[in-house]
Amino acid sequence: QKEVEQDPGPLSVPEGAIVSLNCTYSNSAFQYFMWYRQYSRKGPELLMYTYSSGNKEDGRFTAQVDKSSKYISLFIRDSQPSDSATYLCAPGDNQGGKLIFGQGTELSVKP
Amino acid sequence: DGGITQSPKYLFRKEGQNVTLSCEQNLNHDAMYWYRQDPGQGLRLIYYSQIVNDFQKGDIAEGYSVSREKKESFPLTVTSAQKNPTAFYLCASRGSLEKLFFGSGTQLSVL
Repeated sequence: QKEVEQDPGPLSVPEGAIVSLNCTYSNSAFQYFMWYRQYSRKGPELLMYTYSSGNKEDGRFTAQVDKSSKYISLFIRDSQPSDSATYLCAPGDNQGGKLIFGQGTELSVKP
Repeated sequence: DGGITQSPKYLFRKEGQNVTLSCEQNLNHDAMYWYRQDPGQGLRLIYYSQIVNDFQKGDIAEGYSVSREKKESFPLTVTSAQKNPTAFYLCASRGSLEKLFFGSGTQLSVL
């Protein structure tokens, strides 16, 4: 079993749609949960960072963590063509060392 | 400007040749990472270093080598032993709370 599994996509939605991106993880030691956004042929950039279970909202983006089921989600409201990118989930622990990424979900928002 | 600088942006390797990818950071971060990304896939960890003069293998270290002689620099050498080197290579450093900061990447191709 992989430590982090992410819905592979690709995902295509019309502009204005609500998007749900999901990951599961197996290591209960993970305490930090991050989402990175990567535009084509660019380096990923940190989009959302959460610690512990619950929701965190930032503008049109909401990150949701359920530690009991080891499930993390990113919701995008009122999706825009500029949201077209690959989204990578990345849980982490506080022990330092290597970080694990999901395989990424490619999202395309059509005007 | 603070950040991660990767060079070159594009690199071509001839069969049997070793090539070195540069990664420099001025964020004063201790930990640095090298990831490989293949089309449609997530990030796979090649090597990481948590402190100067120390580094650890990641999941796909075979055919690669690194050094960490200075805090600011973490070069990656792709050796002739790496039989399938064509990929997008990403360097990152780790700041507080496990947050990674990425460079803009190097696309390596085989001639």
